[in-house]
Amino acid sequence: AQSVTQLGSHVSVSEGALVLLRCNYSSSVPPYLFWYVQYPNQGLQLLLKYTSAATLVKGINGFEAEFKKSETSFHLTKPSAHMSDAAEYFCAVRGGNQGGKLIFGQGTELSVKP
Amino acid sequence: GAGVSQSPSNKVTEKGKDVELRCDPISGHTALYWYRQRLGQGLEFLIYFQGNSAPDKSGLPSDRFSAERTGESVSTLTIQRTQQEDSAVYLCASSLAGHPNTEAFFGQGTRLTVV
Repeated sequence: AQSVTQLGSHVSVSEGALVLLRCNYSSSVPPYLFWYVQYPNQGLQLLLKYTSAATLVKGINGFEAEFKKSETSFHLTKPSAHMSDAAEYFCAVRGGNQGGKLIFGQGTELSVKP
Repeated sequence: GAGVSQSPSNKVTEKGKDVELRCDPISGHTALYWYRQRLGQGLEFLIYFQGNSAPDKSGLPSDRFSAERTGESVSTLTIQRTQQEDSAVYLCASSLAGHPNTEAFFGQGTRLTVV
């Protein structure tokens, strides 16, 4: 069975500071990993996904994530936070089956201070 | 349609009543998912449909919850004898099948309030 753990339900950074949102996964098969973002009063949208082609994945809005098998991690980073980055971020995992259910972490709420 | 459509967008129901929530996936998407999101919490997996395969119902919290899907189109999530703890946003998503790295596209959700 697959699962993800997001460390920190709430992260607060200053505008211009580094954003680091942590995600660790558990999977008995090679995982497929995703980061989704949910802006206030909006639906979820994909930020980026790990496809096994490269361990460093670049997504929209300047975000990127690095897959580290040895650490079973897929942390999300952005070098410089913007006020518009304030949102809820969800890490998700899908097992190596064809298709398969998508399991989400509990989410991390990112606040950006001016 | 252009995206995943869910209806109604909001539903207020009395405790003990049954409710039906509808999801229209993106045309051609054979995979469909239902999730529950309680206030301030993450997405709780409920059920997953993939083509003509038996659905994965492992996330349904009780026998009051059920879901159906007509072929590879519309799905309905039914909650019988609603309880106050059922109050949440119910999200539907769909994706193409064929590879596990395919993106799931989400609807705007149905906000259910049980009073």
